[in-house]
Amino acid sequence: DGGITQSPKYLFRKEGQNVTLSCEQNLNHDAMYWYRQDPGQGLRLIYYSQIVNDFQKGDIAEGYSVSREKKESFPLTVTSAQKNPTAFYLCASSQGRPQHFGDGTRLSIL
Amino acid sequence: GENVEQHPSTLSVQEGDSAVIKCTYSDSASNYFPWYKQELGKGPQLIIDIRSNVGEKKDQRIAVTLNKTAKHFSLHITETQPEDSAVYFCAASNGNRDDKIIFGKGTRLHILP
Repeated sequence: DGGITQSPKYLFRKEGQNVTLSCEQNLNHDAMYWYRQDPGQGLRLIYYSQIVNDFQKGDIAEGYSVSREKKESFPLTVTSAQKNPTAFYLCASSQGRPQHFGDGTRLSIL
Repeated sequence: GENVEQHPSTLSVQEGDSAVIKCTYSDSASNYFPWYKQELGKGPQLIIDIRSNVGEKKDQRIAVTLNKTAKHFSLHITETQPEDSAVYFCAASNGNRDDKIIFGKGTRLHILP
């Protein structure tokens, strides 16, 4: 089935550690996005990529990094510079409209 | 930039009754308004969307209305069922190249038996 796969579903980070969240899509979409979701909040855009080898910062990019080396993959690294990383992270992709979402990764701090 | 306000934050309705969720947006250039449903532990799923050249769109028990002059749009769910319980998000985008979507903060809908 076509879709967006995020892994792992749950992830734990120690202080001072970088962690990478995986996002893979087989929808052949050009654009991919990373959002952060906190309780009672909407979705806030971290980074997005319109095409391979190109990406732009969203509204809350500080403490995060991404790469887009392949069309189907858009991994997100949560660095130690992100002081409040506990959240639900959602990846999305689109070819025009609308955006389609994966089922998220929940990141917690040990 | 665009700002999307969504109300109410929580809504409880009796099974079989109707539910209405309202959103306002600030950027008059916005021209695409999707609605997403998010179940616990899952990602948001698109349930209906509307473009600015249309005032209303319906899909079975779900309808969305758009008032461009007032810059508000609403989701209507009729004959609610237990499986409608979820968090609903409205969103707006302006159709620019980056096509960034701005989301409301969500409405938690409870369907009461």
